[in-house]
Amino acid sequence: DAGVTQSPTHLIKTRGQHVTLRCSPISGHKSVSWYQQVLGQGPQFIFQYYEKEERGRGNFPDRFSARQFPNYSSELNVNALLLGDSALYLCASNPIRGLGGYTFGSGTRLTVV
Amino acid sequence: DAKTTQPTSMDCAEGRAANLPCNHSTISGNEYVYWYRQIHSQGPQYIIHGLKNNETNEMASLIITEDRKSSTLILPHATLRDTAVYYCIAWRVQTGANNLFFGTGTRLTVIP
Repeated sequence: DAGVTQSPTHLIKTRGQHVTLRCSPISGHKSVSWYQQVLGQGPQFIFQYYEKEERGRGNFPDRFSARQFPNYSSELNVNALLLGDSALYLCASNPIRGLGGYTFGSGTRLTVV
Repeated sequence: DAKTTQPTSMDCAEGRAANLPCNHSTISGNEYVYWYRQIHSQGPQYIIHGLKNNETNEMASLIITEDRKSSTLILPHATLRDTAVYYCIAWRVQTGANNLFFGTGTRLTVIP
């Protein structure tokens, strides 16, 4: 069974550009969460989607948006990229919106130059 | 969710038990203790969780004090592949977003 898959693995963008990151959860998992991990820090929560609805949002500006599709895959969009958006973006899935460990993907390394 | 406090770094000899402490003195009765680890350049990996009782699985054991104000993650026979950052998280399942709050964790280095 495939784990959580994220694409692309690495990405370089210029300031001001837009980026879309993609995540496919484990088959059967209905909850998808996005995290940002800046170098040297722990992951920070950005969004959670469950059953295609946004269930929570972290302290991130409106430049960050996400959605979840009928097949439970998800996209994270970031507009007007800043140098500070350079980070590892992690996607995690969970079968239910509750107990149990989240399964994380390996992440997308975004570099903004 | 309650804040957790962990040592910044620890070393452990290969083959010995690694005992990683975590303080969560403000934990509430319905908050679970979760442990994740992150090996360099990978996503965090779930290890174990518990509420009151000690727990054991194929990866580790979790010892929670009776007052629930602290816990210890035990890797019984540390290997070089256990070198990672270990995160202790106090987490309450709620009706809204179920987001995990990662602190800075403990960097465990297993020494040959």
